[in-house]
Amino acid sequence: GAVVSQHPSWVICKSGTSVKIECRSLDFQATTMFWYRQFPKQSLMLMATSNEGSKATYEQGVEKDKFLINHASLTLSTLTVTSAHPEDSSFYICSARFPSGIVNEQYFGPGTRLTVT
Amino acid sequence: GESVGLHLPTLSVQEGDNSIINCAYSNSASDYFIWYKQESGKGPQFIIDIRSNMDKRQGQRVTVLLNKTVKHLSLQIAATQPGDSAVYFCAEISSLSGYSTLTFGKGTMLLVSP
Repeated sequence: GAVVSQHPSWVICKSGTSVKIECRSLDFQATTMFWYRQFPKQSLMLMATSNEGSKATYEQGVEKDKFLINHASLTLSTLTVTSAHPEDSSFYICSARFPSGIVNEQYFGPGTRLTVT
Repeated sequence: GESVGLHLPTLSVQEGDNSIINCAYSNSASDYFIWYKQESGKGPQFIIDIRSNMDKRQGQRVTVLLNKTVKHLSLQIAATQPGDSAVYFCAEISSLSGYSTLTFGKGTMLLVSP
Protein backbone atom coordinates (compact mmCIF):
# COMPACT_ATOMS: atom_id res chain seq x y z
CA GLY A 1 0.00 0.00 0.00
CA ALA A 2 0.91 3.65 -0.29
CA VAL A 3 3.06 5.07 2.48
CA VAL A 4 2.84 8.46 4.13
CA SER A 5 5.54 9.57 6.51
CA GLN A 6 5.72 12.39 9.02
CA HIS A 7 8.70 14.07 10.59
CA PRO A 8 9.37 14.46 13.38
CA SER A 9 7.41 11.74 15.17
CA TRP A 10 7.51 13.79 18.33
CA VAL A 11 8.71 17.24 19.26
CA ILE A 12 8.93 19.31 22.42
CA CYS A 13 9.15 23.06 22.08
CA LYS A 14 8.99 26.06 24.35
CA SER A 15 6.01 28.35 24.44
CA GLY A 16 6.31 31.15 21.90
CA THR A 17 8.49 29.26 19.46
CA SER A 18 7.48 27.80 16.10
CA VAL A 19 7.68 24.21 15.00
CA LYS A 20 7.44 22.68 11.54
CA ILE A 21 5.98 19.25 10.81
CA GLU A 22 6.58 17.55 7.45
CA CYS A 23 4.25 15.15 5.69
CA ARG A 24 5.54 13.16 2.73
CA SER A 25 3.91 10.69 0.38
CA LEU A 26 6.74 8.26 -0.24
CA ASP A 27 5.64 6.27 -3.26
CA PHE A 28 2.95 8.34 -4.91
CA GLN A 29 2.17 11.91 -5.81
CA ALA A 30 -0.57 13.51 -3.78
CA THR A 31 -2.33 16.56 -5.15
CA THR A 32 -4.34 16.80 -1.94
CA MET A 33 -3.15 16.40 1.62
CA PHE A 34 -5.07 16.87 4.84
CA TRP A 35 -4.01 17.93 8.32
CA TYR A 36 -5.83 16.67 11.41
CA ARG A 37 -5.43 17.34 15.11
CA GLN A 38 -6.27 14.80 17.76
CA PHE A 39 -6.43 15.47 21.50
CA PRO A 40 -6.12 12.56 23.96
CA LYS A 41 -9.07 10.18 23.88
CA GLN A 42 -10.77 12.23 21.22
CA SER A 43 -11.44 11.90 17.53
CA LEU A 44 -9.55 13.36 14.61
CA MET A 45 -10.57 16.89 13.73
CA LEU A 46 -9.80 18.18 10.26
CA MET A 47 -7.78 21.38 10.39
CA ALA A 48 -7.17 22.10 6.75
CA THR A 49 -7.05 20.73 3.24
CA SER A 50 -3.91 21.37 1.30
CA ASN A 51 -3.73 21.34 -2.48
CA GLU A 52 -0.42 21.41 -4.29
CA GLY A 53 0.42 24.83 -5.61
CA SER A 54 -2.49 26.64 -4.01
CA LYS A 55 -3.51 28.05 -0.66
CA ALA A 56 -4.81 25.68 1.96
CA THR A 57 -8.48 25.63 2.90
CA TYR A 58 -8.94 25.88 6.64
CA GLU A 59 -11.84 24.53 8.67
CA GLN A 60 -13.92 26.90 10.71
CA GLY A 61 -12.21 27.87 13.93
CA VAL A 62 -8.69 27.05 12.75
CA GLU A 63 -6.42 30.10 12.64
CA LYS A 64 -4.65 30.18 9.30
CA ASP A 65 -2.02 32.61 10.57
CA LYS A 66 -1.16 30.30 13.43
CA PHE A 67 -1.14 27.04 11.50
CA LEU A 68 0.77 27.73 8.30
CA ILE A 69 0.45 25.09 5.62
CA ASN A 70 2.65 24.82 2.58
CA HIS A 71 2.10 22.19 -0.09
CA ALA A 72 5.04 23.04 -2.29
CA SER A 73 5.35 19.76 -4.14
CA LEU A 74 3.28 16.71 -4.99
CA THR A 75 4.98 14.71 -2.26
CA LEU A 76 5.45 17.21 0.56
CA SER A 77 3.19 19.31 2.73
CA THR A 78 4.34 21.13 5.84
CA LEU A 79 2.44 22.41 8.85
CA THR A 80 4.10 25.14 10.90
CA VAL A 81 2.67 25.90 14.31
CA THR A 82 3.68 29.49 14.98
CA SER A 83 4.03 31.01 18.44
CA ALA A 84 3.10 27.72 20.00
CA HIS A 85 1.29 27.63 23.34
CA PRO A 86 0.64 24.72 25.70
CA GLU A 87 -2.93 24.39 24.40
CA ASP A 88 -1.46 23.56 20.98
CA SER A 89 -0.03 20.38 22.45
CA SER A 90 -1.68 17.60 20.50
CA PHE A 91 -1.21 14.74 18.06
CA TYR A 92 -1.03 16.07 14.51
CA ILE A 93 -1.81 13.63 11.71
CA CYS A 94 -1.58 14.19 7.99
CA SER A 95 -3.12 12.18 5.22
CA ALA A 96 -2.55 12.12 1.49
CA ARG A 97 -5.06 11.29 -1.19
CA PHE A 98 -3.96 9.01 -3.98
CA PRO A 99 -4.26 10.66 -7.39
CA SER A 100 -7.26 8.54 -8.37
CA GLY A 101 -9.25 10.73 -6.02
CA ILE A 102 -11.22 7.78 -4.69
CA VAL A 103 -12.07 8.49 -1.09
CA ASN A 104 -10.80 5.25 0.33
CA GLU A 105 -7.45 5.88 -1.27
CA GLN A 106 -6.52 8.32 1.44
CA TYR A 107 -3.52 7.24 3.44
CA PHE A 108 -2.62 8.48 6.88
CA GLY A 109 0.75 9.30 8.32
CA PRO A 110 1.91 7.96 11.69
CA GLY A 111 1.32 11.28 13.43
CA THR A 112 3.49 13.81 15.24
CA ARG A 113 3.19 14.34 18.97
CA LEU A 114 3.71 18.01 19.81
CA THR A 115 4.30 19.05 23.40
CA VAL A 116 4.59 22.75 24.18
CA THR A 117 6.12 23.58 27.54
CA GLY B 1 -19.03 -5.07 28.59
CA GLU B 2 -19.26 -1.54 27.26
CA SER B 3 -18.60 1.57 29.29
CA VAL B 4 -18.28 5.22 28.55
CA GLY B 5 -15.03 6.87 29.57
CA LEU B 6 -14.29 10.56 29.83
CA HIS B 7 -14.48 10.94 26.08
CA LEU B 8 -14.06 7.50 24.56
CA PRO B 9 -16.46 4.56 24.97
CA THR B 10 -14.67 1.31 25.71
CA LEU B 11 -15.61 -2.22 24.73
CA SER B 12 -13.88 -5.01 26.64
CA VAL B 13 -13.99 -8.53 25.23
CA GLN B 14 -12.26 -11.85 25.67
CA GLU B 15 -10.00 -13.26 22.99
CA GLY B 16 -12.03 -15.36 20.59
CA ASP B 17 -15.28 -13.48 21.17
CA ASN B 18 -17.01 -11.59 18.41
CA SER B 19 -16.94 -7.80 18.83
CA ILE B 20 -19.52 -5.31 17.66
CA ILE B 21 -18.62 -1.65 17.53
CA ASN B 22 -21.36 0.84 16.82
CA CYS B 23 -21.43 4.25 15.26
CA ALA B 24 -24.24 6.74 14.78
CA TYR B 25 -24.00 9.41 12.13
CA SER B 26 -26.06 12.51 11.71
CA ASN B 27 -25.65 13.62 8.10
CA SER B 28 -28.36 12.00 6.02
CA ALA B 29 -26.48 13.15 2.92
CA SER B 30 -23.48 10.98 3.75
CA ASP B 31 -23.18 8.26 1.18
CA TYR B 32 -19.86 6.65 1.86
CA PHE B 33 -18.56 5.27 5.14
CA ILE B 34 -15.20 3.95 6.28
CA TRP B 35 -14.01 2.18 9.41
CA TYR B 36 -10.50 2.93 10.63
CA LYS B 37 -8.35 1.28 13.28
CA GLN B 38 -5.96 3.44 15.26
CA GLU B 39 -3.35 1.87 17.49
CA SER B 40 -1.81 3.91 20.28
CA GLY B 41 0.53 6.59 18.98
CA LYS B 42 -0.14 5.79 15.32
CA GLY B 43 -2.21 7.11 12.48
CA PRO B 44 -5.52 5.53 11.40
CA GLN B 45 -5.48 2.42 9.21
CA PHE B 46 -8.22 1.65 6.70
CA ILE B 47 -10.24 -1.45 7.60
CA ILE B 48 -13.31 -1.57 5.41
CA ASP B 49 -15.70 0.74 3.60
CA ILE B 50 -19.30 0.68 2.46
CA ARG B 51 -21.40 2.79 0.13
CA SER B 52 -24.89 3.90 1.03
CA ASN B 53 -26.47 1.70 -1.63
CA MET B 54 -25.35 -1.34 0.35
CA ASP B 55 -26.40 -2.57 3.78
CA LYS B 56 -23.65 -5.09 4.37
CA ARG B 57 -20.10 -5.69 3.31
CA GLN B 58 -17.71 -8.38 4.44
CA GLY B 59 -13.95 -8.46 4.63
CA GLN B 60 -11.50 -10.74 6.29
CA ARG B 61 -12.89 -11.30 9.83
CA VAL B 62 -14.77 -8.00 9.60
CA THR B 63 -18.28 -7.11 8.53
CA VAL B 64 -19.79 -3.67 8.26
CA LEU B 65 -23.54 -3.16 8.50
CA LEU B 66 -25.28 0.02 7.47
CA ASN B 67 -28.80 1.01 8.50
CA LYS B 68 -29.64 4.24 6.73
CA THR B 69 -33.10 4.42 8.26
CA VAL B 70 -31.69 5.04 11.72
CA LYS B 71 -28.32 6.38 10.52
CA HIS B 72 -26.38 3.62 12.20
CA LEU B 73 -23.22 1.80 11.25
CA SER B 74 -21.61 -1.18 12.94
CA LEU B 75 -18.34 -3.05 12.64
CA GLN B 76 -18.30 -6.70 13.56
CA ILE B 77 -14.99 -8.38 14.23
CA ALA B 78 -15.06 -12.16 14.35
CA ALA B 79 -12.82 -14.17 16.68
CA THR B 80 -11.29 -11.05 18.21
CA GLN B 81 -7.57 -11.22 18.88
CA PRO B 82 -5.34 -9.21 21.25
CA GLY B 83 -3.87 -7.51 18.18
CA ASP B 84 -7.29 -6.05 17.48
CA SER B 85 -6.99 -3.87 20.59
CA ALA B 86 -7.13 -0.30 19.34
CA VAL B 87 -9.46 2.64 18.89
CA TYR B 88 -11.94 2.23 16.06
CA PHE B 89 -13.41 5.20 14.22
CA CYS B 90 -16.15 5.37 11.69
CA ALA B 91 -15.87 8.15 9.15
CA GLU B 92 -18.42 9.51 6.73
CA ILE B 93 -18.25 11.50 3.56
CA SER B 94 -20.83 13.07 1.33
CA SER B 95 -20.99 13.45 -2.40
CA LEU B 96 -22.37 16.90 -1.67
CA SER B 97 -18.90 17.89 -0.53
CA GLY B 98 -17.45 16.38 -3.67
CA TYR B 99 -16.17 13.52 -1.56
CA SER B 100 -13.64 16.01 -0.30
CA THR B 101 -13.93 15.79 3.46
CA LEU B 102 -13.89 12.85 5.83
CA THR B 103 -15.77 13.42 9.08
CA PHE B 104 -14.71 11.14 11.88
CA GLY B 105 -16.98 9.80 14.60
CA LYS B 106 -16.06 9.81 18.27
CA GLY B 107 -14.36 6.44 18.32
CA THR B 108 -14.56 3.32 20.47
CA MET B 109 -11.67 1.74 22.29
CA LEU B 110 -11.60 -2.05 21.96
CA LEU B 111 -9.72 -3.93 24.66
CA VAL B 112 -9.14 -7.63 24.06
CA SER B 113 -8.09 -9.79 26.98
CA PRO B 114 -6.15 -13.02 26.36
